[in-house]
Amino acid sequence: SQQGEEDPQALSIQEGENATMNCSYKTSINNLQWYRQNSGRGLVHLILIRSNEREKHSGRLRVTLDTSKKSSSLLITASRAADTASYFCATVPGGGSNYKLTFGKGTLLTVNP
Amino acid sequence: DAGITQSPRHKVTETGTPVTLRCHQTENHRYMYWYRQDPGHGLRLIHYSYGVKDTDKGEVSDGYSVSRSKTEDFLLTLESATSSQTSVYFCATTREGMNTEAFFGQGTRLTVV
Repeated sequence: SQQGEEDPQALSIQEGENATMNCSYKTSINNLQWYRQNSGRGLVHLILIRSNEREKHSGRLRVTLDTSKKSSSLLITASRAADTASYFCATVPGGGSNYKLTFGKGTLLTVNP
Repeated sequence: DAGITQSPRHKVTETGTPVTLRCHQTENHRYMYWYRQDPGHGLRLIHYSYGVKDTDKGEVSDGYSVSRSKTEDFLLTLESATSSQTSVYFCATTREGMNTEAFFGQGTRLTVV
């Protein structure tokens, strides 16, 4: 069963615009992670944010976490055509079971040149 | 790709035959995972390993078995392949469970006819 659910399912923007993807989850978490998957490739880790953190940055990526709303967002600023990919959020449950990374179904981002 | 190699990369097999997929890592990571990715389902955990000879089930383990006789190798076996097991299979590794980033292989596309 999916823990994280991304929204929207698909997003199409122009190069240079910002892209925002959201993730909602149902139960308490230890951490939340975002991954990117280019077509036909494996997943690549982007950012990990722990439950006691509210915001993290990595280059053009900004991730926020609101545990009261059980939601996270991924912001990609000044998007490039190379950012075209599927983006997945994944959660690790709280409570000590730190082996299960549960993925959502992903957001397909298309950045048009 | 953190030194993760999946083999084979593509395989077509007949219903009822046994199939073994191999994941090989050179990072000496303790934890290894097998996921399957299907349209509309995201990635779902099949089995994982937390050390040599230590394995446990994920959320979609029926019809699959795993073995880990060495740190670097994690094998996924479909005892008697069915068409519902047609999927893309990904191996992942982490140093310390899922409280750190996961590294993914490039995937194995399996078709059961």
